[in-house]
Amino acid sequence: NAGVTQTPKFQVLKTGQSMTLQCAQDMNHEYMSWYRQDPGMGLRLIHYSVGAGITDQGEVPNGYNVSRSTTEDFPLRLLSAAPSQTSVYFCASSYASGDYEQYFGPGTRLTVT
Amino acid sequence: GNSVTQMEGPVTLSEEAFLTINCTYTATGYPSLFWYVQYPGEGLQLLLKATKADDKGSNKGFEATYRKETTSFHLEKGSVQVSDSAVYFCALPSGGYQKVTFGIGTKLQVIP
Repeated sequence: NAGVTQTPKFQVLKTGQSMTLQCAQDMNHEYMSWYRQDPGMGLRLIHYSVGAGITDQGEVPNGYNVSRSTTEDFPLRLLSAAPSQTSVYFCASSYASGDYEQYFGPGTRLTVT
Repeated sequence: GNSVTQMEGPVTLSEEAFLTINCTYTATGYPSLFWYVQYPGEGLQLLLKATKADDKGSNKGFEATYRKETTSFHLEKGSVQVSDSAVYFCALPSGGYQKVTFGIGTKLQVIP
């Protein structure tokens, strides 16, 4: 199993550009989520999904969009990048039952200039 | 909802020193508790977990005991190594749709 994969690993955008961060998992997990990690802020939940076709907002959803058309994929779209979105982004997945142990991808480091 | 409070770092220790990273929680019922570790440049990975009160989770020499009386889940290691240098996160399910709440993270630096 590849686990949770994320692409790209690094990205530089100019203010106003849009892009999609890719996330895929091969563990048949129902639950997937996106976090951003900023110094001194810990991990903050952006969006999450409990299954294909079902998404919901987390703690900091503004400026981001998601969709879940398959169980495996959960892309995160930045609609119009801003310097405040400079961060490290992590995708995670878990089963919908049990103790909710999270499996994380390696992260995408995004810089918006 | 459920929440965790984790001691802020950074924590700097000499090799072979004893480590404690404090974590306290507020929760409805007795959810599973987790410690995750993030090595430099990597994603988070599960270090250990405890699924019910009074359980002890352990892995790689680290231990944490689920204490309902003090609502704590402190991480300990008897003798740290340079390779333990990382950021450590306490976490628990935050209620509803499998969401998980993470502590702020504690950066540990172990010097030779």
